[in-house]
Amino acid sequence: DIQMTQSPSSMSVSLGDTVTITCRASQDVGIYVNWFQQKPGKSPRRMIYRATNLADGVPSRFSGSRSGSDYSLTISSLESEDVADYHCLQYDEYPYTFGAGTKLELK
Amino acid sequence: EVQLVESGGGLVQPGRSLKLSCLASGFTFSNYGMNWIRQAPGKGLEWVASISSSSSYIYYADTVKGRFTISRDNAKNTLYLQMTSLRSEDTALYYCASPRSGPFAYWGQGTLVTVSS
Repeated sequence: DIQMTQSPSSMSVSLGDTVTITCRASQDVGIYVNWFQQKPGKSPRRMIYRATNLADGVPSRFSGSRSGSDYSLTISSLESEDVADYHCLQYDEYPYTFGAGTKLELK
Repeated sequence: EVQLVESGGGLVQPGRSLKLSCLASGFTFSNYGMNWIRQAPGKGLEWVASISSSSSYIYYADTVKGRFTISRDNAKNTLYLQMTSLRSEDTALYYCASPRSGPFAYWGQGTLVTVSS
């Protein structure tokens, strides 16, 4: 199975920060990576699809990138509404696998 | 507007069965593959099962293979997850998800399954 190693597991952040979360795939998954945001008690929301594409309605301060087997989600100028959990997912090969998640907390 | 409404969760004893449903609206359900995903309390997301639009292709996570069955009724716009031989580790919030420009674009609100004696 493909492992998605997500880091960091948690991050203490300040409003206005630029935040980067990374997932490293254990084997090639091409562009087939999604990023999700999840707030407490809510369903996940897709933020990025196919590694770099912004999902509908997602603010432009969110971006996705890829460097080899490393996939990153970057939030520029963090706003309070961005404080949440973030999850990556590879859907190149079954079984689909999620990263362990990253929890953003305000300092 | 795409809507996915899961139902069928509840408290069930270990070893028993439960069938979840996901009623879809706002898109042509019969054209798209669908997925079930679960989230144990305080834990991350775990993909559970996928089914293609015509049910020709079905895939399961190893943790549920042989115990869970994904199916769909395109006439009723409904996705199902039949769960048997339930274990305590199956306790989770179960979500269905539908695609748009790739899978997992839309998610339901989830239905909670608690396996406990």
